[in-house]
Amino acid sequence: RKEVEQDPGPFNVPEGATVAFNCTYSNSASQSFFWYRQDCRKEPKLLMSVYSSGNEDGRFTAQLNRASQYISLLIRDSKLSDSATYLCVCHFGNEKLTFGTGTRLTIIP
Amino acid sequence: EPEVTQTPSHQVTQMGQEVILRCVPISNHLYFYWYRQILGQKVEFLVSFYNNEISEKSEIFDDQFSVERPDGSNFTLKIRSTKLEDSAMYFCASMIAWGEKLFFGSGTQLSVL
Repeated sequence: RKEVEQDPGPFNVPEGATVAFNCTYSNSASQSFFWYRQDCRKEPKLLMSVYSSGNEDGRFTAQLNRASQYISLLIRDSKLSDSATYLCVCHFGNEKLTFGTGTRLTIIP
Repeated sequence: EPEVTQTPSHQVTQMGQEVILRCVPISNHLYFYWYRQILGQKVEFLVSFYNNEISEKSEIFDDQFSVERPDGSNFTLKIRSTKLEDSAMYFCASMIAWGEKLFFGSGTQLSVL
């Protein structure tokens, strides 16, 4: 089983719709979780951290389910500028952060 | 906002040549990383560096790779004898403390011909 697995995508979603991504992780000792966003040929940029109680930042909501070992990202009222690849990132307690393969999202006008 | 800077943005080299990729992490950060991303693939961990030594490395980071922090600001990745499969975007990243957010530089696109 891969360390971090994400929805395969691509997701093609009309503007204004709500879209959700899931990510599962294999290491139950995982310490920290993040969602990063990556635009084509650019560096990953932090979108939001994911907290145990769940957290919201504007149109974005992140949830963590430790029992089932998955995290999710919900985007409401999607905008054209949300088109990107969304990367699930886990910190397994060693030095490195491990990235999922990413889910590509395209918002359609 | 402070940022991680990388140079050059693009590097073209011949197979078998040595390349050095340079990075200036955010000044008060303590953990430094190199990641790479082959076109169309995932972001892969190469190496982490803390307290002036390698703290972890992946199986990709073989004897052809080395890292240095020669002074208080620069963090370099050297590939001794480049192979075609080393062609990728190489990202430097830094983190202020363990478990915190990772900040990435804009990357160096390495093309090995």
